[in-house]
Amino acid sequence: GNSVTQMEGPVTLSEEAFLTINCTYTATGYPSLFWYVQYPGEGLQLLLKATKADDKGSNKGFEATYRKETTSFHLEKGSVQVSDSAVYFCALNLPGNTDKLIFGTGTRLQVFP
Amino acid sequence: GAGVSQTPSNKVTEKGKYVELRCDPISGHTALYWYRQSLGQGPEFLIYFQGTGAADDSGLPNDRFFAVRPEGSVSTLKIQRTERGDSAVYLCASSLTSAGLTGELFFGEGSRLTVL
Repeated sequence: GNSVTQMEGPVTLSEEAFLTINCTYTATGYPSLFWYVQYPGEGLQLLLKATKADDKGSNKGFEATYRKETTSFHLEKGSVQVSDSAVYFCALNLPGNTDKLIFGTGTRLQVFP
Repeated sequence: GAGVSQTPSNKVTEKGKYVELRCDPISGHTALYWYRQSLGQGPEFLIYFQGTGAADDSGLPNDRFFAVRPEGSVSTLKIQRTERGDSAVYLCASSLTSAGLTGELFFGEGSRLTVL
């Protein structure tokens, strides 16, 4: 079936450290891929997306590249801030007549000063 | 407000009771989704409305769960004969047309349901 697998958290980093959160997927067809973020006390919000192979999504210093050969969409940031502390969800959406996102289990990031 | 609004934010009920959870989407958004998020898990799809009709209800776990959107705006998720396993955060999201086109859903903060 279609699924998303994320690395387990929490990921604990010092400010200005490099971040990678791994995400791999299993899907029939060619999905669109997303990273959503949930800050404390807020609803999930779209961070970035990529709709086809080799596309790179980017926003707020975060990047992720759609790698079809490794079925991955790893999230990276070169220098994290305390304000990046949140839960990050990788998700996919299949093309065609499906309109639902399939989410991973989420990875909590904690950044300390 | 400008965002997706969900009420109540917290609901504690007893096993066997009936519960309604309300979602007020962003004005003008035709697509509305309900998801359920259990502790330590990602959101799981329940049902999707395009306008007033349920376009996809394949995620509803059983016939105790039902959702309506009679005027194409506010939606209510209804759970009959609640069970302890129904305890979760119920998330509502809306989008301008369909997530299949943009992938951007706007989520509310959720309704936390606890069944004792």
